[in-house]
Formats: sequence, C-alpha cells, structure tokens
Amino acid sequence: EDQVTQSPEALRLQEGESSSLNCSYTVSGLRGLFWYRQDPGKGPEFLFTLYSAGEEKEKERLKATLTKKESFLHITAPKPEDSATYLCAGGDAGNNRKLIWGLGTSLAVNP
Amino acid sequence: EPEVTQTPSHQVTQMGQEVILRCVPISNHLYFYWYRQILGQKVEFLVSFYNNEISEKSEIFDDQFSVERPDGSNFTLKIRSTKLEDSAMYFCASRAQETQYFGPGTRLLVL
Repeated sequence: EDQVTQSPEALRLQEGESSSLNCSYTVSGLRGLFWYRQDPGKGPEFLFTLYSAGEEKEKERLKATLTKKESFLHITAPKPEDSATYLCAGGDAGNNRKLIWGLGTSLAVNP
Repeated sequence: EPEVTQTPSHQVTQMGQEVILRCVPISNHLYFYWYRQILGQKVEFLVSFYNNEISEKSEIFDDQFSVERPDGSNFTLKIRSTKLEDSAMYFCASRAQETQYFGPGTRLLVL
C-alpha cells in the first residue's frame, strides 16, 4: 500500500536554530515528491517538487532533498514566520497524479 | 498571480441536507481535484476530473458525492445527504503540468 510518513510530528525551534524534517515514502512508481506549507485554516501552499534521487531544490531558508526512500526539508536559520505545518506528498504513478499525503510536521519557531 | 478560489469558506449544515461546495480553478488548468482533511488527520484524495469526466475516485467518494463543471470556470462538489463524518476541510486543486495548486478550503460542519 502506498504510504507517506513524516517525522517528527511537531518541532519547536528557537529563531536561528537549523533543523531538518523527514518524509519517508513507499509510493509505487512515484511521480514526484511534493512539499507544501500549510498555515492554520488555509490550503496547502506549494513549495517544491523533487523527481529524482539526489535532486535538491532551495527557496530562501528552505532546502529539499530526495533519496530513493525519503526526502528531507532542511530549514536554515528559521524565523518565526516559518512557523507552519509542512506537508509532504507523493505523486501517484497514474495519469491522474493524485497526491498521497503524510500527516505533516507542525513547526513552531520561537523569537 | 492566478489562484484557486473556493466558496463558501465555512458551511454549517444539518445531517441529511445537501451541500454544494464551489471552486474556481486556475483558468488554463485542465486537471481538477477534490481532497478533504478531517481535523488532525491526513489530507485524503476524493476525486480527480479531466476532460469533463471523473478520471479517478477514492473509496470515500461514494454515491453521495458528485462533481460537476457546469461552465468554463466553476468546479463543484455536491454531497447529497450529509453525515456527521463528512465534517472536514474540503480543498479543491487544479494543475496544468505536474504541480497541484490548492484553494483556501471550505470548512464543512455537519450537525
């Protein structure tokens, strides 16, 4: 069964304290590993797509990496405005590309 | 920047009543989706829609659910007879290439 698992479920950091979020996946014929940010009561906001093991993408303080079994979202010197839930999703192999989601990591960055 | 919009933002209904959730996808996108997120749980795929027909649906999407694209812009999800367990955030998404872009969601509460 296709599955995406994220850890930790919750993470509290001090401003400037770098860390990494993990997403492990078992999705047959994965068509992309997606990272989204979700603020409370809002829809997921697209961050990155990774397709191949070894691929890396960066945006401001965030860097996403991909291996054959997992993806990491590295947060460098986070700021309070980075506080959110970070969702990982695997793209299904079918033509419809439905997303299979992890539960998310709730990140709180204290000033 | 184009975005997916959804109405209403909140809907409260009585069990057994019909509800229609509305979405306006990004204008040049061809694939449309509905997902739901029950409080504290993973985002779940409901249905995908392409070329004016359902292309895939999950086990959740039973006969009580239907989708429609009544004109060139709107995409609707109808729940014919709501149940308590239908209470959730419902997200619409659309894509042109690989990435799905999400609306802000409709919070449905069934009493």
